[in-house]
Amino acid sequence: GIQVEQSPPDLILQEGANSTLRCNFSDSVNNLQWFHQNPWGQLINLFYIPSGTKQNGRLSATTVATERYSLLYISSSQTTDSGVYFCAVAPFQGGSEKLVFGKGTKLTVNP
Amino acid sequence: DAGVTQSPTHLIKTRGQHVTLRCSPISGHKSVSWYQQVLGQGPQFIFQYYEKEERGRGNFPDRFSARQFPNYSSELNVNALLLGDSALYLCASSLSVGSDEQFFGPGTRLTVL
Repeated sequence: GIQVEQSPPDLILQEGANSTLRCNFSDSVNNLQWFHQNPWGQLINLFYIPSGTKQNGRLSATTVATERYSLLYISSSQTTDSGVYFCAVAPFQGGSEKLVFGKGTKLTVNP
Repeated sequence: DAGVTQSPTHLIKTRGQHVTLRCSPISGHKSVSWYQQVLGQGPQFIFQYYEKEERGRGNFPDRFSARQFPNYSSELNVNALLLGDSALYLCASSLSVGSDEQFFGPGTRLTVL
């Protein structure tokens, strides 16, 4: 099955710093989503981005589907950005859109 | 509009028991998927249902089953619980099947003693 690799696994930043999280995937995909999981376990949708570039405030994401990777940029990080960031992809397959998740990047933003 | 809702929030069971978890999708969404997340890992796909039919199944034993009701809500059932079933169970809804964006509920945290 499709493999999803996220890097780095852990990231520690000072408040105000910028960061880039990477997601590589091993096959063509129908869908790619970025999530932020808060300490209570809730997965919060950040981007639905099977291709192209999107921006939402301090966050932006780019997916280059032909090269099978996606990047999540966080600018001017805040302590509330702490948590685990997951990339999830839906491989091309008929009739189902199961998401395959990476292992996540754990981000800690210190004041 | 309400998001995806799940019940119960927390649950403690003993080995060998049975459990039923419930999920209500976002209004207008017809597809529900279930995921299991163990500590330190990303969620793993268990089932997807669309219009009351199973559309996908992950690599889980037959102890796991699910169904979707006419109002598009869903139940996940797990029989003969094992210690390894302890996890956060997440439900996601989407408009239909295909490449639609999925939205997740807050999860049910199951502990098996």
